Amino acid sequence: DSGVTQTPKHLITATGQRVTLRCSPRSGDLSVYWYQQSLDQGLQFLIQYYNGEERAKGNILERFSAQQFPDLHSELNLSSLELGDSALYFCASSRQGSNEKLFFGSGTQLSVL
Amino acid sequence: QQQVKQSPQSLIVQKGGISIINCAYENTAFDYFPWYQQFPGKGPALLIAIRPDVSEKKEGRFTISFNKSAKQFSLHIMDSQPGDSATYFCAASSLGGYQKVTFGIGTKLQVIP
Repeated sequence: DSGVTQTPKHLITATGQRVTLRCSPRSGDLSVYWYQQSLDQGLQFLIQYYNGEERAKGNILERFSAQQFPDLHSELNLSSLELGDSALYFCASSRQGSNEKLFFGSGTQLSVL
Repeated sequence: QQQVKQSPQSLIVQKGGISIINCAYENTAFDYFPWYQQFPGKGPALLIAIRPDVSEKKEGRFTISFNKSAKQFSLHIMDSQPGDSATYFCAASSLGGYQKVTFGIGTKLQVIP
């Protein structure tokens, strides 16, 4: 068990809808990362937060947004969902923001029908 | 643009054999090269990592070989076991900075008895 908690584990929704994925980092970790995993693209970095502030941004679509709250949990919001958004979404955390060791949650499997 | 190229995408090795996965990177600012192991239904977990000031790092049956001039690194799994069957991701990042961790596409390893 990595200590990173992601909810829900599975999410099935329809095109055009909006969903929120939640992540609780390991106790004491200040940095949260969001990744999208698909079969043909591997692990794609979306966004990183450190102690509530956005630190780095990857190929995150404008329809997607994220935030990290004062208690350090994070939420990834996906809106106007398309079929192509179906993927496994991972949250990871690290002690600081130095990228040295990421602890991943078990992921949220999103299916857009 | 894939900054970390990983091959092969799938690999079948007999029990007791050597599994070899190769990665190449482009960004010379990268100074930290981890390998992550992912079992089905789980998030990736850090397996072993190397800094570019050494050419090899060994932990048990797992060895990373690093060639800075060629910008290549590889994972060798000696005496491969069925329990090693998983997906392996190489990655690269710059420690202490704001660079995201960039992952390779992944290699699905199957070790057959």
